[in-house]
Amino acid sequence: KAGVTQTPRYLIKTRGQQVTLSCSPISGHRSVSWYQQTPGQGLQFLFEYFSETQRNKGNFPGRFSGRQFSNSRSEMNVSTLELGDSALYLCASSLEGSFYGYTFGSGTRLTVV
Amino acid sequence: KNQVEQSPQSLIILEGKNCTLQCNYTVSPFSNLRWYKQDTGRGPVSLTIMTFSENTKSNGRYTATLDADTKQSSLHITASQLSDSASYICVVSEDFGNEKLTFGTGTRLTIIP
Repeated sequence: KAGVTQTPRYLIKTRGQQVTLSCSPISGHRSVSWYQQTPGQGLQFLFEYFSETQRNKGNFPGRFSGRQFSNSRSEMNVSTLELGDSALYLCASSLEGSFYGYTFGSGTRLTVV
Repeated sequence: KNQVEQSPQSLIILEGKNCTLQCNYTVSPFSNLRWYKQDTGRGPVSLTIMTFSENTKSNGRYTATLDADTKQSSLHITASQLSDSASYICVVSEDFGNEKLTFGTGTRLTIIP
């Protein structure tokens, strides 16, 4: 079966711009989580959506937002980009929650210049 | 504050040798602990997941142990191969269902021929 698909794979944006990243979960998975990964901080949790509702949120500023559609696909938006937002953004999907395990996508590499 | 600490930060070993990676956590209440393997530029892939009642789990040449009393876990890799070169991330979950994950910063393992 198809895995978690993230688009685009690479993105270069300028400071102050906004960006939208997309994640298509494994068919049947209703939970989608987003993570930011940087060399210095490792993986950091952004937020989790379940059945179109944000169920958990990490400690990121309001410039980071997301949503989930009725087909479980999810988008993440970052407004007013800063140089420090350069990172690998990973999406993970699961059936219900942690017990069933997460499957990660390959990520979107965002570079802010 | 919940934390997951991994050691060593990086490790270089010869192909065919064994190695052990460590993970100490302070996450409470504990739900489960997972080890992920992340190849460069890819998303993490689950190796093992252990709940409170499990103290060892194997996946091929990978064997994870968990001591919930001391809040320590280890990942032992047997007969290492060049393809084992990757980052290994320890992830601890607080709760079932409406969960929150805490990530370690990973151990970068390099296998040399």
